[in-house]
Amino acid sequence: LAKTTQPISMDSYEGQEVNITCSHNNIATNDYITWYQQFPSQGPRFIIQGYKTKVTNEVASLFIPADRKSSTLSLPRVSLSDTAVYYCLVGDGYTPLVFGKGTRLSVIA
Amino acid sequence: ETGVTQSPTHLIKTRGQQVTLRCSSQSGHNTVSWYQQALGQGPQFIFQYYREEENGRGNFPPRFSGLQFPNYSSELNVNALELDDSALYLCASSPREGTGARGYTFGSGTRLTVV
Repeated sequence: LAKTTQPISMDSYEGQEVNITCSHNNIATNDYITWYQQFPSQGPRFIIQGYKTKVTNEVASLFIPADRKSSTLSLPRVSLSDTAVYYCLVGDGYTPLVFGKGTRLSVIA
Repeated sequence: ETGVTQSPTHLIKTRGQQVTLRCSSQSGHNTVSWYQQALGQGPQFIFQYYREEENGRGNFPPRFSGLQFPNYSSELNVNALELDDSALYLCASSPREGTGARGYTFGSGTRLTVV
């Protein structure tokens, strides 16, 4: 199972763009890259998923270089409500998800 | 569509007791996974059920066991509770398609406290 490495924590002011980078050197050909958000005492919630290049939805963008060994989650103009833990996962949808410790994002007013 | 429902939301048990946690999967999902999340840590994979059979297991002892029912709902049973079993237990259902992790839907979890 591919493992991921991401920063333990990040701080940002409201209104700024936040970029969280994840390393996944052993990603397999069939693996997708998926990011989840988790608030305290709640289950993780899907944010965005990609396979290669760039994906954008209403809440985030995901940048994946050609070698797919890393990815960057971009959150535009964060607000206090974006304070949460963000997990980067790689997998094909059949094998169980393997979570790391995630990145704890704190947004400051 | 309905989401994943877990019960109970909170539970306090005494060391040595047994506990059963329940999970109703999202409509259309045939796979259920269970995770243990200690405070400040990421969720740790316990096991996964597909078509009522255990289909993968993490590094958890046999006193952690489970069931999946024909309607795809699931139970997690933990025997001989230990203090370290205190955690948030998360259930996730998924459609078992080879399209990455986007199909996973998590419940809000059961907070188990062992005293």
